[in-house]
Amino acid sequence: QSVLTQPPSVSGAPGQGVTISCTGSSSNLGARYDVHWYQHLPGTAPKLLIYANSNRPSGVPDRFSGSKSGASASLAITGLQAEDEGYYYCQSYDYRLDGSRVFGGGTKLTVL
Amino acid sequence: QVQLVQSGTEVKKPGASVKVSCKASGYSFSTYDINWVRQASGQGLEWMGWMNPKSGNTGYAQKFKGRVTLTRNSSTSTAYMELSSVRSDDTAIYYCARARGLAGLDYWGQGTLVTASS
Repeated sequence: QSVLTQPPSVSGAPGQGVTISCTGSSSNLGARYDVHWYQHLPGTAPKLLIYANSNRPSGVPDRFSGSKSGASASLAITGLQAEDEGYYYCQSYDYRLDGSRVFGGGTKLTVL
Repeated sequence: QVQLVQSGTEVKKPGASVKVSCKASGYSFSTYDINWVRQASGQGLEWMGWMNPKSGNTGYAQKFKGRVTLTRNSSTSTAYMELSSVRSDDTAIYYCARARGLAGLDYWGQGTLVTASS
C-alpha cells in the first residue's frame, strides 16, 4: 500500500464541491516536502493539477485548489463538471525511501 | 510546444527485456529530469525512477533497483527506460514525464503499453 493515504472514492453532483484528502507521515508530508496533485482521466496521460501544495499551472481552472498542513494535504474542487470525473493522485517524497517520489493510492471522483 | 513522444506498444515473453523510448521536443532536453511512472491495470500510479539528462545521474525506486536502467541519447533528446526480466505483473502502461528537481511532473508522454505474456 501507498505511504500517502487517499480515500478510494468521492462523489458529488454537478455544481457541488468535493475535497480529497492525502494523509502522510513524518517522513514525507510531515518532513515539509511539497505535495503535487494530478488528474488522470480515462484514456489520457496524467495531468499536473496543483504543484507545490497550492499552485495551479497555467490553464488549470481556479475551481481546483490545494492546501497542506503538517502531514496532511487536500485538494478541493468546486463547481463540479461532468468532465472532472476520473482519478486524482497526490504525490510527494519520502526520505525513508531515499527521497523517492511517492504517489497516493488515488481517488476516483464520480460526478453524479 | 513541449512534447514527450513515447515508442509504441510492446509485447514480451516473461524473462525478456523491454526498452521504451521518450523523445523530447519544444524545450532544452538537458534542463529537466525525466521520470518514469507506470500504471498496471486497475492500479494506481507507481514511480519508477528519474534521470538527469545533463549529468546522466539516476535514481530508482527501491522496488526497481537492479531491474530498471535509465539512459539517454542527448544528440536526439531521447530518454530510455529498460526493464529486464519482465514478469506478468509488469504488464502496465509506462509513462515518461519531465520535472525540475522535486517540482511536479509538468509534461507527460502519451504512455506505452507493455504486455508480458507467454
